[in-house]
Amino acid sequence: GAGVSQSPSNKVTEKGKDVELRCDPISGHTALYWYRQSLGQGLEFLIYFQGNSAPDKSGLPSDRFSAERTGGSVSTLTIQRTQQEDSAVYLCASSPQVPYEQYFGPGTRLTVT
Amino acid sequence: SQQGEEDPQALSIQEGENATMNCSYKTSINNLQWYRQNSGRGLVHLILIRSNEREKHSGRLRVTLDTSKKSSSLLITASRAADTASYFCATLSSNTGKLIFGQGTTLQVKP
Repeated sequence: GAGVSQSPSNKVTEKGKDVELRCDPISGHTALYWYRQSLGQGLEFLIYFQGNSAPDKSGLPSDRFSAERTGGSVSTLTIQRTQQEDSAVYLCASSPQVPYEQYFGPGTRLTVT
Repeated sequence: SQQGEEDPQALSIQEGENATMNCSYKTSINNLQWYRQNSGRGLVHLILIRSNEREKHSGRLRVTLDTSKKSSSLLITASRAADTASYFCATLSSNTGKLIFGQGTTLQVKP
């Protein structure tokens, strides 16, 4: 079956602009996660959604970051007023439920100039 | 925040040799997972070991878990050039779904 998909695969934006990153999880997976990977910080958890529960936002680095999951499926990660330190690969993952293995998408490489 | 350390940071071996990577973590866990990453993009799940398990096998992979020492190891036997990748351990606690990753080990298998 289809895996986790993310779009766009690459995004270059100017400092100060807003960006939206999209994630389509595996059908039927109730949990969806966002991570980011950068040279200096390694792989960091950002946020996760589990069914209809309130999302765990404990990893979001600032209030410029937000995410939503519509209809229990597609998720959008929004970064407002982007900064150069936001440059990273943003990875989305889904799992059938918690706490199982997670299936990762190919990532979105964000470059803020 | 990173859960712990992985060592070595980099490992270079010849095809056919075994590769061992170690991971240490800090907090109590529900399970520990190993992932592989090629070319800095998506991660592929390799194996999951639960906190009440001590050893698990999957093909050429063998994972051990020592909860008293808060450590795990991943052994890849009879390595192949295609095993060249970065390997990450990640822990998952009982009260949360988020994975906490180690810094990773970069493995190079020379043909």
